Amino acid sequence: ETGVTQTPRHLVMGMTNKKSLKCEQHLGHNAMYWYKQSAKKPLELMFVYSLEERVENNSVPSRFSPECPNSSHLFLHLHTLQPEDSALYLCASRKDRTYGYTFGSGTRLTVV
Amino acid sequence: SQKIEQNSEALNIQEGKTATLTCNYTNYSPAYLQWYRQDPGRGPVFLLLIRENEKEKRKERLKVTFDTTLKQSLFHITASQPADSATYLCALDTETGANNLFFGTGTRLTVIP
Repeated sequence: ETGVTQTPRHLVMGMTNKKSLKCEQHLGHNAMYWYKQSAKKPLELMFVYSLEERVENNSVPSRFSPECPNSSHLFLHLHTLQPEDSALYLCASRKDRTYGYTFGSGTRLTVV
Repeated sequence: SQKIEQNSEALNIQEGKTATLTCNYTNYSPAYLQWYRQDPGRGPVFLLLIRENEKEKRKERLKVTFDTTLKQSLFHITASQPADSATYLCALDTETGANNLFFGTGTRLTVIP
């Protein structure tokens, strides 16, 4: 365990389903992130929550919506996904910019 | 356009030798540069952070250099072991704008016994 816990580890969903990914950290970090990792591509930032401010990558489709109810929890709500959304979804947190990220183990998402 | 390029997709090296991985960037002004290790199906693990005013950083068998003139970082693993086999990612933090890192695509290192 890294200190950042992601659930579920694996998820298979149909294109009409709605599901949520959960991320939790009790490290006292001030920023939390969602990244998407696809084969042969760099990690792609989806959303940042930093000191309760949300920043998003404008290229992220609206079928992904984040929620950050407090500084320890982060959700990624999924609805009407496409097969090309199949990827490893990683949550990370960090204390501040002079520190590295602590990543969770990721959720392997398959859209069928 | 902005790019972060890691020298090769894959690198094979004999056990005991020094592995050298390269990270080159274009159109970034990073304040910090970081290196991560990633094993298959797992999240990346933070290894080292180097600041723009630092030339070199070491941690056990790992050494990172940062040359802001060449826009390049080198990551060395000395006395490499099969357990060092993994994908290594470099990441930049520009310290302006949003509080996030920009990642390269990674180099998959295989240490052959």
